Amino acid sequence: DVKVTQSSRYLVKRTGEKVFLECVQDMDHENMFWYRQDPGLGLRLIYFSYDVKMKEKGDIPEGYSVSREKKERFSLILESASTNQTSMYLCASSLVKTGTGELFFGEGSRLTVL
Amino acid sequence: AQSVTQLGSHVSVSEGALVLLRCNYSSSVPPYLFWYVQYPNQGLQLLLKYTSAATLVKGINGFEAEFKKSETSFHLTKPSAHMSDAAEYFCAVSEGGTDKLIFGTGTRLQVFP
Repeated sequence: DVKVTQSSRYLVKRTGEKVFLECVQDMDHENMFWYRQDPGLGLRLIYFSYDVKMKEKGDIPEGYSVSREKKERFSLILESASTNQTSMYLCASSLVKTGTGELFFGEGSRLTVL
Repeated sequence: AQSVTQLGSHVSVSEGALVLLRCNYSSSVPPYLFWYVQYPNQGLQLLLKYTSAATLVKGINGFEAEFKKSETSFHLTKPSAHMSDAAEYFCAVSEGGTDKLIFGTGTRLQVFP
């Protein structure tokens, strides 16, 4: 089974802190994604990556950056956390670039910024 | 730009009743459409997908969806709800046949005994 592991299920940070959310997949997938999930807004794509060291902006990249130094790992970085970044963050991966739409999701990281 | 609209943020049914969750899409090209389910405290998992083959698509756990181009709809149904179906359901469309999915706002399904 494909496993997507997000390092932290729950985090509490203070405004202005730098926050790292880590995601690792174990099935040699090419694509990785970061979404944020908010009630009433569904999932919104922050960044995605089709290859190592490659990244593309999603729909809401402001205030975020990402890093993909190894194929299996995709990190989301909040350079200076703000209260409006309090949310559930979901990492996902999929097999190939011209894919079938089957994303495998981690269990999520719930971030609270005070 | 492609998008999906889910009608009804909450749907409640009795156990054994028909489940109908609505999704309409907007796309200038033939779309790839998906339904995902999220159980409490878990990530999302794929229920079913439409990729321009059969218009009636069967998924896991007895769910199915029908692609209707004339109505730009992809509604999710299950003939008989089970308590274990209680979850949040997301409709999604694929941008350009890639895995970059655009999700709807979700519908929370409650099942009462």
